[in-house]
Amino acid sequence: DGGITQSPKYLFRKEGQNVTLSCEQNLNHDAMYWYRQDPGQGLRLIYYSQIVNDFQKGDIAEGYSVSREKKESFPLTVTSAQKNPTAFYLCASSIDGSGLGNEQFFGPGTRLTVL
Amino acid sequence: KQEVTQIPAALSVPEGENLVLNCSFTDSAIYNLQWFRQDPGKGLTSLLLIQSSQREQTSGRLNASLDKSSGRSTLYIAASQPGDSATYLCAVSHSSYKLIFGSGTRLLVRP
Repeated sequence: DGGITQSPKYLFRKEGQNVTLSCEQNLNHDAMYWYRQDPGQGLRLIYYSQIVNDFQKGDIAEGYSVSREKKESFPLTVTSAQKNPTAFYLCASSIDGSGLGNEQFFGPGTRLTVL
Repeated sequence: KQEVTQIPAALSVPEGENLVLNCSFTDSAIYNLQWFRQDPGKGLTSLLLIQSSQREQTSGRLNASLDKSSGRSTLYIAASQPGDSATYLCAVSHSSYKLIFGSGTRLLVRP
């Protein structure tokens, strides 16, 4: 089955901890994205990557870091510098990030809670 | 700055009713507009993608229209069913990578 997987489904973080959310896709897409969703709100872009070994900050990158060492994988680390990390995190991908009309496809999400 | 607004925030209708969800955006220079469905605690499912050069797209009981000049899109759902209950999000792309999302319309279809 082709698609996007995210793990874990639920994640709990203690104060001062860094945690890493996994995102993997087997769609052979070049572009990948991380969004954050807070209750009753739309999604906000954290980071995106248009190609392997390259990534750019989105609107709310502070307190987050990413890597893109493989085409299939785009992990997101929530660092202790992120003061309000409790949210639903969604990973997405598209065929590429350089053309027009690229449809984005989403994974099932990870719910992060700070204890 | 692009802003996307969805009205109403919530909608409750009886089964079988035809309904329209609204999405408006402030900057008409968009590449495309996508409609998504989100079930509680789940990811987003892409429903329809309308390119900036298109006026509408259809998939089954769903029809989405786009009027760039007025900054509006509508999602029409025909003969609604309880299984259509979900949150519907619209998002516009005005660069090659970035989607700007509305806050969504929470739909309940009552049996």
